[in-house]
Amino acid sequence: EPEVTQTPSHQVTQMGQEVILRCVPISNHLYFYWYRQILGQKVEFLVSFYNNEISEKSEIFDDQFSVERPDGSNFTLKIRSTKLEDSAMYFCASTQESSYNSPLHFGNGTRLTVT
Amino acid sequence: GQQLNQSPQSMFIQEGEDVSMNCTSSSIFNTWLWYKQDPGEGPVLLIALYKAGELTSNGRLTAQFGITRKDSFLNISASIPSDVGIYFCAGHNYGQNFVFGPGTRLSVLP
Repeated sequence: EPEVTQTPSHQVTQMGQEVILRCVPISNHLYFYWYRQILGQKVEFLVSFYNNEISEKSEIFDDQFSVERPDGSNFTLKIRSTKLEDSAMYFCASTQESSYNSPLHFGNGTRLTVT
Repeated sequence: GQQLNQSPQSMFIQEGEDVSMNCTSSSIFNTWLWYKQDPGEGPVLLIALYKAGELTSNGRLTAQFGITRKDSFLNISASIPSDVGIYFCAGHNYGQNFVFGPGTRLSVLP
């Protein structure tokens, strides 16, 4: 079964550094998402992306965050200047379309640790 | 904004027991989804529900889409150790974002 793949699985960075988290969504999917999960807490929406632009973003997704689809397969999340509170699991997800019968499929996540 | 509540927050059961958990919302959703998350991994889709009143099974799992479209439940029959994890519900309406509940943490005792 097709999967959403994310790299790296674990990223350790120093506060203030830039990080790029990478995702390859399922190939025939058109809508892409980033979610965040702080340890032990719920899955929180960051941003959705369709047709090469952001569809919606949450208040968490401030100016330090950006997303890009640099080619036909990758979808990236960049954090420009990481803060300690950015430490979390970051999940990429994709869905075929925004219709009622197209569920969200998640990758296995990137654990980001900011020291 | 839209919020989902899940109960119970956590549960400890004996292997072989049946499990029931539910998810409620103050607003209507047209799709309900149930996911399971194992430690260190991403949520995996278990069951998707698209019609009010729908009852859907996936092996030992059964989920129902509430008739009011404001709730859903998930049942697991004859639990086994690998059922351990966090179970999330999610609601979705066309053209809107997926909204996730806080999760139910399930522990299975041998």
